[in-house]
Amino acid sequence: GAVVSQHPSWVICKSGTSVKIECRSLDFQATTMFWYRQFPKQSLMLMATSNEGSKATYEQGVEKDKFLINHASLTLSTLTVTSAHPEDSSFYICSARHSGREHNEQFFGPGTRLTVL
Amino acid sequence: GENVEQHPSTLSVQEGDSAVIKCTYSDSASNYFPWYKQELGKRPQLIIDIRSNVGEKKDQRIAVTLNKTAKHFSLHITETQPEDSAVYFCAASRSNSGGYNKLIFGAGTRLAVHP
Repeated sequence: GAVVSQHPSWVICKSGTSVKIECRSLDFQATTMFWYRQFPKQSLMLMATSNEGSKATYEQGVEKDKFLINHASLTLSTLTVTSAHPEDSSFYICSARHSGREHNEQFFGPGTRLTVL
Repeated sequence: GENVEQHPSTLSVQEGDSAVIKCTYSDSASNYFPWYKQELGKRPQLIIDIRSNVGEKKDQRIAVTLNKTAKHFSLHITETQPEDSAVYFCAASRSNSGGYNKLIFGAGTRLAVHP
């Protein structure tokens, strides 16, 4: 149990377009999901915390109008990168906190590689 | 703000040797410390974690120690194998905070195990 999926696994888009990434908890409910960005050879940087039924909490320096997060159900959170630019190219990873497990444990999705041309 | 420092950034060992990775954290309220292994292009995989109410935890060849007073924790891998080669991340978080248990990651350690 505790499987998290992401879709798409990779995407290439033109500069100025928007891209939506989905994060799903397949076999458990997740009241909280997290979105990370990882540049090559770097660590995971938390972008925002997504809470079901409420507004996301963004980390300092992350533009909420550029990275739109919607957590509409207990199993789905979406991240939309609006007006993407080449500097947004990165590996985006989500994680989900299992509501029925130890309160800190997070399960990660497989990641989405975004390339903006 | 919260910060987690991780050392070394790279570590090269011979197969069969031990590997030790160390992390320090700044938030004294942190009470959960997981370690993740990440292979190239893959998701981080939890390999072991420790909570602040214990000082050591072991799972086969992997062990983690925690020193709350000094605010540091370490990952120990014994009898290393080539398949242990990956990037390892430490992280720290605290429960029931306004940040909803967010994880603060270290910078990562690239471990290479040579046959």
